[in-house]
Amino acid sequence: SYVLTQPPSVSVAPGQTARIPCGGNNIGSKDVHWFQQRPGQAPVLVVYDDSVRPSGIPERFSGSNSGNTATLTITRVEDGDEADYYCQVWHGSSDHWEVFGGGTKLTVL
Amino acid sequence: QVQLVESGGGVVQPGKSLRLSCVGSGFTFSNHGMHWVRQAPGKGLEWVATISYDEKNKYYADSVRGRFSISRDNSKKIVYLQMNSLRPEDTAVFFCAKDSSGSGNWYFDLWGRGTLVTVSP
Repeated sequence: SYVLTQPPSVSVAPGQTARIPCGGNNIGSKDVHWFQQRPGQAPVLVVYDDSVRPSGIPERFSGSNSGNTATLTITRVEDGDEADYYCQVWHGSSDHWEVFGGGTKLTVL
Repeated sequence: QVQLVESGGGVVQPGKSLRLSCVGSGFTFSNHGMHWVRQAPGKGLEWVATISYDEKNKYYADSVRGRFSISRDNSKKIVYLQMNSLRPEDTAVFFCAKDSSGSGNWYFDLWGRGTLVTVSP
């Protein structure tokens, strides 16, 4: 199996930069995707293929991936960014076709 | 309007069955792989199953293999999740999601709002 590890929580003051890591064995060799989920809502794709933003996602959201860690970076954090964030990769084995990280709760102080 | 709408959730007793449906609109449904993802109360996202655009390939998480079955009807733009032998630990909101590829091995670019399944005596 393939495991993606995220910290349960990250806190940041408004206007500052939040960095949410996602650890996995040689994750740098995989395409990493990130989702934002606000309470009671469906997940929304915010970054795909490590660092590509879908249309409509602010430039404040960016991603990187190297070695054993992928990172979602949110600059100039706003109150509305408070949400759960999940990383995800395609692993490709029949029983772990897709894998999600455990999720990180971003709190805006 | 590009959207996915799930239905079929409800309260069911352990050991019973339930079939979820997800209707797609606003995109060419038959070109895309589709997924089911669930989220237990207060927990994270868990991938459940994937079906390719042509229904030739299906994949299941260990936790549901042999009990759940994914299928699709491209003429109706619907993906199904047949859930048998339900257990209390299957209690979750079930989301369907559209894959950007036909094979179902890229990124999930559209999600439905989910349907709640509660397994309780």
